[in-house]
Amino acid sequence: QITLKESGPTLVKPSQTLTLTCSFSGFSLDEPRQCVGWIRQPPGKALEWLALLYWDGDQRYSPSLRSRLSLSKGPSKDEVVLTMTNMDPVDTATYYCAHDGPEVSYDAFDMWGQGTVVTVSS
Amino acid sequence: SYELTQPPSVSVSPGQTARIICSGDALERRYVYWYQQKPGQAPVLVIYKDKERASGIPERFSASNSGTEATLTISGVQGEDEADYHCQTADSSGIYVFGSGTTVTVL
Repeated sequence: QITLKESGPTLVKPSQTLTLTCSFSGFSLDEPRQCVGWIRQPPGKALEWLALLYWDGDQRYSPSLRSRLSLSKGPSKDEVVLTMTNMDPVDTATYYCAHDGPEVSYDAFDMWGQGTVVTVSS
Repeated sequence: SYELTQPPSVSVSPGQTARIICSGDALERRYVYWYQQKPGQAPVLVIYKDKERASGIPERFSASNSGTEATLTISGVQGEDEADYHCQTADSSGIYVFGSGTTVTVL
């Protein structure tokens, strides 16, 4: 059974850097075709895809946010870390991590974390 | 950048059929995925690869993709189907896109 959970600060100040961790179980990011993605959702708004980390370390980023985002495997083999620089109040959102792999379908998120709410305010 | 457009809302009476459209340029050349999201919850994958139901999804959910539109159909709508529905696709370079989301209200 695949599970994911996001963790990180609930409040960040404008211009600061946000660091979020996705802790997962039920799959290994060392296995071929396994991926972890990040998606966010501002209050009352649509989902927005942010980034995807592939099993082989390859990364993909939203073109509109590419310059601010960075993905890496965490210190633990079952963690993925998302970093977003220069945070702004418009970045206030619920941030989700999700699994993408061959179990159901590539290019889709078949399991999601519960989400973590991040507020950007001074 | 590629965009997917959905109607903001769809209203339907119980037992009737709800259809949610997702529009995008040459959408039929891509796979489309659909997610259901209830208030305060994370999205759940409903449909993958245009028309395949995800595990545990009732048969009343079906979907298609043709031309520039993908359609999610809920036949015999039930109160528990009231939720936001999001379409999603990905291009060959690994860039994912979500639609603008549709709120389904069961009257």
